[in-house]
Amino acid sequence: QVQLVQSGAEVKKPGASVKVSCKASGYTFTGYYMHWVRQAPGQGLEWMGWINPNSGGTNYAQKFQGRVTMTRDTSISTAYMELSRLRSDDTAVYYCARDQIVGATSSGFDPWGQGTLVTVSS
Amino acid sequence: QSVLTQPPSASGTPGQRVTISCSGSSSNIGSNYVYWYQQLPGTAPKLLIYRNNQRPSGVPDRFSGSKSGTSASLAISGLRSEDEADYYCAAWDDSLSGPWVFGGGTKLTVL
Repeated sequence: QVQLVQSGAEVKKPGASVKVSCKASGYTFTGYYMHWVRQAPGQGLEWMGWINPNSGGTNYAQKFQGRVTMTRDTSISTAYMELSRLRSDDTAVYYCARDQIVGATSSGFDPWGQGTLVTVSS
Repeated sequence: QSVLTQPPSASGTPGQRVTISCSGSSSNIGSNYVYWYQQLPGTAPKLLIYRNNQRPSGVPDRFSGSKSGTSASLAISGLRSEDEADYYCAAWDDSLSGPWVFGGGTKLTVL
């Protein structure tokens, strides 16, 4: 079955970087976009960006431009999200989510990874 | 402050029909599809409705979506206790806010 398995929780100091992985299985990795969405404690969902695993092309939310880098390794069907210059308000659960683009239209984010808690604290 | 506006809470009794609204603008809901996600406590979100009113396989037909102008709604009929969750709307946004924007979420309580 289609599954996205993310790396484990991280604790980082302000100013550091974090890299979260998302390993895909059960489908052709290069056939679907991968989004990254975060959720601060008790808050709503915030879209960070996407990567096209086939081309490596990316599209980042303006808020994260210059701080986020999304990459992929097609040989192991894994997508990565790296966030730099971490601040305390980056403390959140980070999710990856698959998306099939059909005729330039999203089919929705489905499924989602289990989430990775990133805590930024001095 | 979320780009899409949802009521923070909603409630209903078992068997009832409840609706959750999602208000946007011409740059998002007014010109693009709406998507709905359900987040059960302590779990990752799950796709509930895509492209305004389409249900993925496995989603009960008790859940339905609609859109009119710059607003959208999620309706849940035959409410069940397991429907108690947070619900989020999302849409593509053609402005600098985008491309993807979410609502702030609605916590549904089954009384």
